Amino acid sequence: GNSVTQMEGPVTLSEEAFLTINCTYTATGYPSLFWYVQYPGEGLQLLLKATKADDKGSNKGFEATYRKETTSFHLEKGSVQVSDSAVYFCALSDQGNTPLVFGKGTRLSVIA
Amino acid sequence: GAVVSQHPSWVICKSGTSVKIECRSLDFQATTMFWYRQFPKQSLMLMATSNEGSKATYEQGVEKDKFLINHASLTLSTLTVTSAHPEDSSFYICSAVLADHSYEQYFGPGTRLTVT
Repeated sequence: GNSVTQMEGPVTLSEEAFLTINCTYTATGYPSLFWYVQYPGEGLQLLLKATKADDKGSNKGFEATYRKETTSFHLEKGSVQVSDSAVYFCALSDQGNTPLVFGKGTRLSVIA
Repeated sequence: GAVVSQHPSWVICKSGTSVKIECRSLDFQATTMFWYRQFPKQSLMLMATSNEGSKATYEQGVEKDKFLINHASLTLSTLTVTSAHPEDSSFYICSAVLADHSYEQYFGPGTRLTVT
């Protein structure tokens, strides 16, 4: 079955540091890939997505590239801020109207 | 953008009582809604798929008689936790699928249920 594996946290960074959160997937076919963010006490918000190989999703300074050859969708940001502190979930959907398969989430804490 | 609401945002109930959680797509129609459950510091686990006008499809291990799902219209799905117990305490999140070719999912803000 489909699955998503993302690096375990928690991750603690200083403000303006570079962020990478690794995510790899296993799927049949050609899934769409997503990164969601969950701020404390809130629901999930879509951060970015990519629907086909070599697509780059980007939003709010975050970006991730759909790498079919390595089955990866790593999340990066060049300079994190305290307000980026949250839990980040990598997810996939293998076709239209299907539920998302989530990774376990990575908690990021950014300190000033 | 597409907005999904959940009501209530949090609820405390006593063991043995039932609680209904509503999930609404406010500005779009959703033929499919998903219900997830999230335990503290863990990922989201799919509970069931709710399709408008038909019975919900439950994931393995989810008791359909305990977690009643009704999807009566294209903008509303409800999850009723019947005879709640403390182990049902959790964060319940719904998502609604945009019924166009994008099939993009939009998540509600979640409902925190505490059973005492």
